[in-house]
Amino acid sequence: GQNIDQPTEMTATEGAIVQINCTYQTSGFNGLFWYQQHAGEAPTFLSYNVLDGLEEKGRFSSFLSRSKGYSYLLLKELQMKDSASYLCAVRDSNYQLIWGAGTKLIIKP
Amino acid sequence: IAGITQAPTSQILAAGRRMTLRCTQDMRHNAMYWYRQDLGLGLRLIHYSNTAGTTGKGEVPDGYSVSRANTDDFPLTLASAVPSQTSVYFCASSAESGGYNEQFFGPGTRLTVL
Repeated sequence: GQNIDQPTEMTATEGAIVQINCTYQTSGFNGLFWYQQHAGEAPTFLSYNVLDGLEEKGRFSSFLSRSKGYSYLLLKELQMKDSASYLCAVRDSNYQLIWGAGTKLIIKP
Repeated sequence: IAGITQAPTSQILAAGRRMTLRCTQDMRHNAMYWYRQDLGLGLRLIHYSNTAGTTGKGEVPDGYSVSRANTDDFPLTLASAVPSQTSVYFCASSAESGGYNEQFFGPGTRLTVL
């Protein structure tokens, strides 16, 4: 079967750095996406990785290792507005997205 | 209209009733999707359409049907609602189904079936 694993919840302090991990087992791989979802809102796109390595976009970076079936999202200089759920999704061999359950990130002052 | 709109925002429905959730996008995207999101579970794909006139089944299609008569609209119909269909439903679209094409999401419909 297909499986995406992420921690259920994480807590971090404002101004700090946090890394959210995602491991996956899917039928095929055609890219990995990270989305942010604030409570009661729709998911919004953060990053896309299809090749191994680090993609940096402002305070957010995403890393991919295809051989390990592993990705992480790195958030720097945390702000209170970063409190949200972070969703990892893998595009499989049918070009459909398989979604993890999401990691709820709680930022404390 | 800017992006994707969904209607209604929320709905309480009696079991056995028929319900259509509406989704419209103005980005001229070819691909559209319907997901449901339940607490503790990831988004699950119900149905999708790679282009107008075509549709496909996702992971959890039973009890749902869709149509794609034109590029902009992708309604989702529950023929006879059951309590297990209580969920938040998101419509999404992307320019194409593959490659570096992020999915854009509508605001969601919160459906309660009693």
